[in-house]
Amino acid sequence: GESVGLHLPTLSVQEGDNSIINCAYSNSASDYFIWYKQESGKGPQFIIDIRSNMDKRQGQRVTVLLNKTVKHLSLQIAATQPGDSAVYFCAEINRGNEKLTFGTGTRLTIIP
Amino acid sequence: NAGVMQNPRHLVRRRGQEARLRCSPMKGHSHVYWYRQLPEEGLKFMVYLQKENIIDESGMPKERFSAEFPKEGPSILRIQQVVRGDSAAYFCASSQTTLDSEQYFGPGTRLTVT
Repeated sequence: GESVGLHLPTLSVQEGDNSIINCAYSNSASDYFIWYKQESGKGPQFIIDIRSNMDKRQGQRVTVLLNKTVKHLSLQIAATQPGDSAVYFCAEINRGNEKLTFGTGTRLTIIP
Repeated sequence: NAGVMQNPRHLVRRRGQEARLRCSPMKGHSHVYWYRQLPEEGLKFMVYLQKENIIDESGMPKERFSAEFPKEGPSILRIQQVVRGDSAAYFCASSQTTLDSEQYFGPGTRLTVT
C-alpha cells in the first residue's frame, strides 16, 4: 500500500551546521511532495515543495532533493539555527487525489 | 489576511459526550481538509470538503464522525459519543484550488476525552 516513511525519528545538529532529513515513499504515482515543519503545540507550516518533474528545488536556507529512481526525498537545512528545532514531516499527493499522506516525522534538535 | 482559524484550541469531553470542532478557512479558500494527529505520529487524512459537498471521506470512521462545510459559516467536524481513543489533535487545512495547491494549516484543536 501507499506509505511515506522516514529513516530517522530524531536528529541532533550543532547550531550553524547543516542538517539533512530523509524520507522514503513507496507510491511511484506520487507526483507532488511537500516538507512541513511543526513546532510544539502548533499546526504544520509549509517549508518547500517539489513536483515529480524536478529533482532539486531551493528556498531560503532549505533545499529539497527528489530521487525518483529510489523513491527518496530529502530536506537540507543550511546553517541551522535554534528556531529550526521542530518536527519535520514529508508529505505526498498523488495526481487526482487531494489528500496529503504524511510520514511519521523527524524531530530535529539544534544544539547551541 | 487571517490564516486558518480553529476553535476551540482545547476541548475536554467526557466519554459519551459530543465534540464539535470548527474551522474557518483562509479568505478566498473553498477547499477544506481535516486531519487527525496522535502524539508522536504524523497527520492522518480524514475528510476533504468543498462548499456544501463532501468530496472524499475515506479517512473518516464510518460511525460517530461527521463533517460539513455549509454555504455560510465554518466547517464543522462532529464526533458523537466520544471515546478515549478519540483523544488527539485535529487539524484543519484549506486551499484555494485543487491539485498541487498548497494547504495551509490551522493551529489545531486538542481533544481530550476523560
